Amino acid sequence: GAGVSQSPSNKVTEKGKDVELRCDPISGHTALYWYRQSLGQGLEFLIYFQGNSAPDKSGLPSDRFSAERTGGSVSTLTIQRTQQEDSAVYLCASSLDPGHYGNTIYFGEGSWLTVV
Amino acid sequence: QKEVEQNSGPLSVPEGAIASLNCTYSDRGSQSFFWYRQYSGKSPELIMFIYSNGDKEDGRFTAQLNKASQYVSLLIRDSQPSDSATYLCAVKGAQKLVFGQGTRLTINP
Repeated sequence: GAGVSQSPSNKVTEKGKDVELRCDPISGHTALYWYRQSLGQGLEFLIYFQGNSAPDKSGLPSDRFSAERTGGSVSTLTIQRTQQEDSAVYLCASSLDPGHYGNTIYFGEGSWLTVV
Repeated sequence: QKEVEQNSGPLSVPEGAIASLNCTYSDRGSQSFFWYRQYSGKSPELIMFIYSNGDKEDGRFTAQLNKASQYVSLLIRDSQPSDSATYLCAVKGAQKLVFGQGTRLTINP
């Protein structure tokens, strides 16, 4: 597709359940980012993938959160045993080689997660 | 100290005036700097980026970068009600892009 595609767009889940969020980056983009944005807050960095390098997981808030990127393309963010504080919009973004100054990142429309 | 800091606002500017948004960052090794606009309920969209000291102009928008003082700003000339949104400053070092909390801007007709 032309843009970053995320699914589901909305997810309501019960506390304690696991959820998976999917991101399909722009074709040819080697870098992929996950951010979280709680209501009225800024973007919180979660994890970053670049090519075949080890991902930067420094932003993952707990071991309930994990992410993988298969084949250098599609990525899945998994949240285990969801808690109410996990409710937020999860934004995926991708870019060409981030080593070049002008290669900016483009965002998907986000996955809105509500934990009840 | 946060890596990227912005005044959360709200910043209120009359229509037609200049809106000035500021951002400071802590990592002196930061290489490139971005301004994103985010409308309520929408994902961020890029306005412009800058990586050299000085000014960069694009239409009604001007980004200003001062690496010695570690700040970057965005000026919006001839502000329009459609410019009302949250403006996010983002700073990139070697790899990841770190965002500030955003400044909420309201343009009053």
